[in-house]
Amino acid sequence: DVKVTQSSRYLVKRTGEKVFLECVQDMDHENMFWYRQDPGLGLRLIYFSYDVKMKEKGDIPEGYSVSREKKERFSLILESASTNQTSMYLCASSLPQNTEAFFGQGTRLTVV
Amino acid sequence: GQSLEQPSEVTAVEGAIVQINCTYQTSGFYGLSWYQQHDGGAPTFLSYNALDGLEETGRFSSFLSRSDSYGYLLLQELQMKDSASYFCAVRDRSSNFGNEKLTFGTGTRLTIIP
Repeated sequence: DVKVTQSSRYLVKRTGEKVFLECVQDMDHENMFWYRQDPGLGLRLIYFSYDVKMKEKGDIPEGYSVSREKKERFSLILESASTNQTSMYLCASSLPQNTEAFFGQGTRLTVV
Repeated sequence: GQSLEQPSEVTAVEGAIVQINCTYQTSGFYGLSWYQQHDGGAPTFLSYNALDGLEETGRFSSFLSRSDSYGYLLLQELQMKDSASYFCAVRDRSSNFGNEKLTFGTGTRLTIIP
């Protein structure tokens, strides 16, 4: 079975902290995605990566950056956490055709 | 820009049939997917349509009309466990560098009542 693992289910951070959210997939997928999910807004794409060291901004990249140094790992970085970044963060991976994406269990981040 | 519209909430009776619609506006469209998400869980893939027509997978079917930028998910013989949120998602091309990505709608919360 495909497995996408996010490092934490719950995280509480202080305003201004630098936050790292880690995601690892074990299916050798080229594509990886970071979304945030908020009530009534669905899943909004933050960043995605289509290969090692290759990344592209999604719809809401402000305040975030990403890193993909190895194929299996895609990290989301909040440079300076703010309260409006309190959300559920979902990582996903897929093959290049993107017909099916596999999601991690999500990280619920609270910024206080 | 891009947008996907689907109803925010739908209620249906156990054993009945329900249809969840999705209209989209995007560039570089390749196909439409549907995902299910139970409360507290991760989204899971249900179906994908690249071409016009109906795709059937057990109790679930999905339809696409590319000319109308429209699709729907049809759930038959509804069960209580089908209560969940359902998202349509387009496989489309980014406006920046033309790479393929997945853009999701805002989701439809389906409630099944006895």
